[in-house]
Amino acid sequence: DIVMTQSPDSLAVSLGERATINCRSSQSVLLSPHNRNYVAWYQQKSGQPPKLLIYWASTRESGVSDRFNGSGSGTDFFLTISSLQAEDVAVYFCQQYFTTPLTFGGGTKVEIK
Amino acid sequence: EMQLVESGGGLVLPGGSLRLSCTASGFRFSSFAMNWVRQAPGKGLEWVAVMSASGSSTYYADSVKGRATISRDNSRNTLYLQMDSLRPEDSARYYCVKGGWEVLTWFGPWGQGTLVAVSS
Repeated sequence: DIVMTQSPDSLAVSLGERATINCRSSQSVLLSPHNRNYVAWYQQKSGQPPKLLIYWASTRESGVSDRFNGSGSGTDFFLTISSLQAEDVAVYFCQQYFTTPLTFGGGTKVEIK
Repeated sequence: EMQLVESGGGLVLPGGSLRLSCTASGFRFSSFAMNWVRQAPGKGLEWVAVMSASGSSTYYADSVKGRATISRDNSRNTLYLQMDSLRPEDSARYYCVKGGWEVLTWFGPWGQGTLVAVSS
């Protein structure tokens, strides 16, 4: 199974500052012929289901704020919130869809400092 | 607007069975793979199972393999999850989640979930 390891577990950032979350996969999730990384990012606010933010590691889902950016390749991935807003308080999960079982990272809780 | 509505959760005794349902609307259900993902209270996300658009392919997490059966009725825009031999560790909110045209894709949108509690 591909293990997705997120860090940190929690993060407190001042309003307007940058928040960066790391997600590391236990093996590469890059499909070379297509040069695509099979990683997605989700946001889960309290009491709500998760919401898709990013797929193919860096493609923003329609309607998602451009404050959210995904980057990385191979086994190392990042989700960056460029200027943290109050409505960004949530738990963020990464996920690989390179192979079954589809697996998630443990989550990173983002709060306001 | 795409919508997924789960039902069928509840309190069940260890060793019991439950059938979860998910009714989809707002998209061509028969064209997309569909998944079940669960989340225990205060915990992370665990993918449970996926069924391809046609229903010809299914995959399961090891934690439920042999005890869970995913199925779909494309004429009714409905996804199912039959869970047997339930254990306390199966207690979670079960989300129905739309996949993509293929089995290996990202998830979205998600339903609100249905709560399953396994306890004596």
